[in-house]
Amino acid sequence: AQKITQTQPGMFVQEKEAVTLDCTYDTSDQSYGLFWYKQPSSGEMIFLIYQGSYDEQNATEGRYSLNFQKARKSANLVISASQLGDSAMYFCAILSYNTDKLIFGTGTRLQVFP
Amino acid sequence: NAGVTQTPKFQVLKTGQSMTLQCAQDMNHNSMYWYRQDPGMGLRLIYYSASEGTTDKGEVPNGYNVSRLNKREFSLRLESAAPSQTSVYFCASSDYSTGSGYNSPLHFGNGTRLTVT
Repeated sequence: AQKITQTQPGMFVQEKEAVTLDCTYDTSDQSYGLFWYKQPSSGEMIFLIYQGSYDEQNATEGRYSLNFQKARKSANLVISASQLGDSAMYFCAILSYNTDKLIFGTGTRLQVFP
Repeated sequence: NAGVTQTPKFQVLKTGQSMTLQCAQDMNHNSMYWYRQDPGMGLRLIYYSASEGTTDKGEVPNGYNVSRLNKREFSLRLESAAPSQTSVYFCASSDYSTGSGYNSPLHFGNGTRLTVT
């Protein structure tokens, strides 16, 4: 069974500051992947970053990094140097390598202010 | 390159009516998914198909049926629509089942906005 929990319904951050969006998960799989997606008000889903369960180093993609703590079952997204265009919904997701089942969390609405 | 194509884009149904949402991908992906997204909420998995000929229930399968017609097409059917099924429906596909390409996105369709009155 898989479960994804995002406990922050909304977050505010000032432009140019860093922000951390929380994500915890539960799974019975040994092998799995963790993803973060961004959904702006236009509605499309934008892939941000991926972390495999066996990856020892935290994933980074530009201003995005994934703080992966396997023992704590957490996969927090860190956005550095926030920009106004980062205002959007952010979703964490978990993929079972065994079944290909991929589920999403409930999301965090991030608002960046000047 | 069309990617994932969903039809229709919009649909209004009356309670009790049936309809089928169509989804097709042209990327030769093995895995396909149906999600629903209610206003201000996350995506909830309805059904998925890891390969042609297989389908599995997701988090919220009740009231829906699916068919993986071939590798390209994965349809979602509402047999007797209810107001609680008012939502935006997304189809998606991936190459994950090949065991490679995990560091790549799900490919989403543009969504079907369904209203049941």
